[in-house]
Amino acid sequence: DAGVIQSPRHEVTEMGQEVTLRCKPISGHNSLFWYRQTMMRGLELLIYFNNNVPIDDSGMPEDRFSAKMPNASFSTLKIQPSEPRDSAVYFCASNPGQTYQPQHFGDGTRLSIL
Amino acid sequence: DQQVKQNSPSLSVQEGRISILNCDYTNSMFDYFLWYKKYPAEGPTFLISISSIKDKNEDGRFTVFLNKSAKHLSLHIVPSQPGDSAVYFCAASELNTGNQFYFGTGTSLTVIP
Repeated sequence: DAGVIQSPRHEVTEMGQEVTLRCKPISGHNSLFWYRQTMMRGLELLIYFNNNVPIDDSGMPEDRFSAKMPNASFSTLKIQPSEPRDSAVYFCASNPGQTYQPQHFGDGTRLSIL
Repeated sequence: DQQVKQNSPSLSVQEGRISILNCDYTNSMFDYFLWYKKYPAEGPTFLISISSIKDKNEDGRFTVFLNKSAKHLSLHIVPSQPGDSAVYFCAASELNTGNQFYFGTGTSLTVIP
């Protein structure tokens, strides 16, 4: 079975540029999560969707960050404009959507903003 | 503020010995806890979980212990193997928040051959 697929794996861009991260959840999973990993805060939840609807976006750091889930098999996380402090590893995860179900993670996108 | 804390950033253990990774939480409403394992350049993978109605759950070499009164959980790995070298994250959830999980900052385990 295919797991959660994220692209790109690495992204290096200059400050001020728009960055788009992509995620394909596991087929049949109804919930999708975007996380950012930093040394200080570990895995920080940015936003999560249930049945393509954003449920909690309180973790989105600023208006520069936006996320969409146009259908059950695709989601994007966009940063515009990007800043050096956005450099981190961004993970997407999915699960069936029921309580007490572990999340399955993609391999992440390592983002570097110069 | 971090609701789930892993106060040891790193841990080194000899192969064959026991590894004990610790996790503390502040929210008494948490009722489901998980441990994830993460290798470099990969995403975290689910390892083991425990619900608040239990105080112990075992899966092979991995055992998770939950002390609700102390708001503390631990992961025991016995015996430790070099392939266990990874970063371990604990996570917690409560029924009222549905599907949302709160993660700790991780502990990097090194098992020395």
